[in-house]
Amino acid sequence: TQLLEQSPQFLSIQEGENLTVYCNSSSVFSSLQWYRQEPGEGPVLLVTVVTGGEVKKLKRLTFQFGDARKDSSLHITAAQPGDTGLYLCAGDQYGNKLVFGAGTILRVKS
Amino acid sequence: DTEVTQTPKHLVMGMTNKKSLKCEQHMGHRAMYWYKQKAKKPPELMFVYSYEKLSINESVPSRFSPECPNSSLLNLHLHALQPEDSALYLCASSRGGPNTEAFFGQGTRLTVV
Repeated sequence: TQLLEQSPQFLSIQEGENLTVYCNSSSVFSSLQWYRQEPGEGPVLLVTVVTGGEVKKLKRLTFQFGDARKDSSLHITAAQPGDTGLYLCAGDQYGNKLVFGAGTILRVKS
Repeated sequence: DTEVTQTPKHLVMGMTNKKSLKCEQHMGHRAMYWYKQKAKKPPELMFVYSYEKLSINESVPSRFSPECPNSSLLNLHLHALQPEDSALYLCASSRGGPNTEAFFGQGTRLTVV
């Protein structure tokens, strides 16, 4: 059983559409991170959310941490082809054990 | 400098070969990680080093042997691998402690033939 459940697993949308990716767990995390990965490259850290209820914005990306610090979401407004990639949420279970959700493969068509 | 450097970028090895993957960071990070990633799957944690000591081994087969010569370097020694070990091997580092943020290298694409 995955500690962090991500949904959807795959998303194919047209340029200009909005989308939301969810990351859920039954466990409480001190923080959650979101990464984006392109094929053949390592994941790149987008944001870390720490405080329950926190909302962070990174241009067209909005990240939210649930009040109970068990879930997080990533919302992309007006998606562009350059947003295509694998989006991963990750949490520190304990003692530097960073574990990942299953990932969401996003494809934005022009 | 927020870079984690991995070498080589690509590696093809036979099942009887011995090879090593190398990772280097100069961010003063005290935790370093090895992950294995299959295509379209998330990274799977293999090993964690904290202050140059192995702190987590996720039941990885002994044909994978990690080494941390100093706080900036992390190696993964490979011996007698199987074709199913072919994957992208990722190194990462972090400051350690709570709310850890990991920085990843570009990975080594390993093919076992």
